[in-house]
Amino acid sequence: AQTVTQSQPEMSVQEAETVTLSCTYDTSENNYYLFWYKQPPSRQMILVIRQEAYKQQNATENRFSVNFQKAAKSFSLKISDSQLGDTAMYFCAFMKQRYNQGGKLIFGQGTELSVKP
Amino acid sequence: NAGVTQTPKFQVLKTGQSMTLQCAQDMNHEYMSWYRQDPGMGLRLIHYSVGAGITDQGEVPNGYNVSRSTTEDFPLRLLSAAPSQTSVYFCASSSTGLAGGNEQFFGPGTRLTVL
Repeated sequence: AQTVTQSQPEMSVQEAETVTLSCTYDTSENNYYLFWYKQPPSRQMILVIRQEAYKQQNATENRFSVNFQKAAKSFSLKISDSQLGDTAMYFCAFMKQRYNQGGKLIFGQGTELSVKP
Repeated sequence: NAGVTQTPKFQVLKTGQSMTLQCAQDMNHEYMSWYRQDPGMGLRLIHYSVGAGITDQGEVPNGYNVSRSTTEDFPLRLLSAAPSQTSVYFCASSSTGLAGGNEQFFGPGTRLTVL
């Protein structure tokens, strides 16, 4: 069975600084996807970034980037130039790359990030 | 497009009552899923569907039933509510393609309290 672990329940960062959220996972699959989702106080789930395991290049989306270490089964999220609007719960998630697995995300416990002015 | 809609947004039940959480999407997505969110546990998959007429169990299916008679709708039924089912429930949908990996679109959630 797959598991996803986020070992930092809470983190804080000053506005404009950089913060890194950690995620590790366990799987015997070779092909899979990894995601970071953001959940602001509104409770809406928002996709931040996605990584395909077969790609060696780390995904980036504007101020958000990941450090994907497949052998170590590590998938951290770096937020640069943190903004007050980044304050949210962040979830790491895993999905197998197999037929009919598209609706099955496995989530970590979440990291609550506070950006302070 | 309305995206993924869920009703109701809030619900209070007494132990033993039954109810149905509604979920609908207008994006013609094949995949639909139900998750529950509990503090310190992230989101956990309850049931999912890969198309009309096809459903399967997720991590925590006990106490919940689903059916999918149309592509658009995926209701979640609680037959006899228990306090352990107090949670926030999210419905999500996504399209097929390359064995998944497409973005899951989430509804706004339903906060359910069972007394």
